Amino acid sequence: EAQVTQNPRYLITVTGKKLTVTCSQNMNHEYMSWYRQDPGLGLRQIYYSMNVEVTDKGDVPEGYKVSRKEKRNFPLILESPSPNQTSLYFCASSPRLGGTEQYFGPGTRLTVT
Amino acid sequence: GEDVEQSLFLSVREGDSSVINCTYTDSSSTYLYWYKQEPGAGLQLLTYIFSNMDMKQDQRLTVLLNKKDKHLSLRIADTQTGDSAIYFCAESLSGYSTLTFGKGTMLLVSP
Repeated sequence: EAQVTQNPRYLITVTGKKLTVTCSQNMNHEYMSWYRQDPGLGLRQIYYSMNVEVTDKGDVPEGYKVSRKEKRNFPLILESPSPNQTSLYFCASSPRLGGTEQYFGPGTRLTVT
Repeated sequence: GEDVEQSLFLSVREGDSSVINCTYTDSSSTYLYWYKQEPGAGLQLLTYIFSNMDMKQDQRLTVLLNKKDKHLSLRIADTQTGDSAIYFCAESLSGYSTLTFGKGTMLLVSP
């Protein structure tokens, strides 16, 4: 089954404790991205990657890092999480940049206290 | 810059038609999308339309595009309780560029 998986689905952590949210897709897609969803703000793109070792900033990259060492994986790293990073995070993949064939993961709800 | 606006909430009765509206600011947008997010799930692409089209129909869904007014709408015929979800409008400058999403419209369908 074609899918995008994220782990963990739920995470409560404390300010400053480094964390990684993993994202994996099994469709051999070149393009992957991370979004955060906040009430009243909709979805905002954090980072995206057009292929292995190629990443670029989205609209709200501050406080986040990503890496793309393998085509299937695109982890999101929060080196020093802060409460304003409490949000619902979505990973997405598609065969190319653009939205006509974009698949979203189920989401990771992160709470930073 | 690019901006996409949607009303935040719509309530309808089962069997009625729902119309969700969206406006965008970038006249260069060539692709316009509608996504659906069910509770606890990720976004699912419902349909998209090219800017050179006025209308696209797919079963119960009808997308209307008024390019002059930069207005996009999604009509759901015979709305069912399973259609209750958040609907996001999005635009991109091409089929190969990043998307800008609206804030989402929560559709509540009551029996």
